[in-house]
Amino acid sequence: GQQLNQSPQSMFIQEGEDVSMNCTSSSIFNTWLWYKQDPGEGPVLLIALYKAGELTSNGRLTAQFGITRKDSFLNISASIPSDVGIYFCAGTRPYSGGSNYKLTFGKGTLLTVNP
Amino acid sequence: DTGVSQDPRHKITKRGQNVTFRCDPISEHNRLYWYRQTLGQGPEFLTYFQNEAQLEKSRLLSDRFSAERPKGSFSTLEIQRTEQGDSAMYLCASSAGWLKIQYFGAGTRLSVL
Repeated sequence: GQQLNQSPQSMFIQEGEDVSMNCTSSSIFNTWLWYKQDPGEGPVLLIALYKAGELTSNGRLTAQFGITRKDSFLNISASIPSDVGIYFCAGTRPYSGGSNYKLTFGKGTLLTVNP
Repeated sequence: DTGVSQDPRHKITKRGQNVTFRCDPISEHNRLYWYRQTLGQGPEFLTYFQNEAQLEKSRLLSDRFSAERPKGSFSTLEIQRTEQGDSAMYLCASSAGWLKIQYFGAGTRLSVL
């Protein structure tokens, strides 16, 4: 089963507000990825993180790889209506007899932006 | 467009029928992955290939499921004797080399009646 706890489950905000969401696990991950998914479509990569403590930006999006390697955060600044969608965190585990390439996903954060 | 391509986008079938989905990865990506996503959940790993070798299968992949990647390019996922519980979005992704970044296709939405 899934091992990533993503919160909040949903957010309803006003256009222009900043948004924060996070993902936690009881296990160590060596890669963190953040995806956005629109209804009926596949996930689209937003940000990739490879090292503990890493802070990476992509336009209005900023994500961080937690120093414990068990969590990650995504912030969206000055939200706009097209930010609406489901945001997923995903990660890969260190090799432990199984694949270290398969992704484990959180359950997602549904973001609604009110214009 | 050189992204991951999946066909068909939608499939409606009757319980007990067999279905097959196709995935064309990004050109020269050596790894190909299949995931399943149900409503309100994140994608769950099913299986993955490195070139033509199937290196790992999830316990979610019952013996009714089979995946192939015969020439290390496109892949097919077949579900035999479909059940209503198989209704889901089936996603394909690919990645290159040692990079962990996976690029996803638009998915195949399966509805089993």
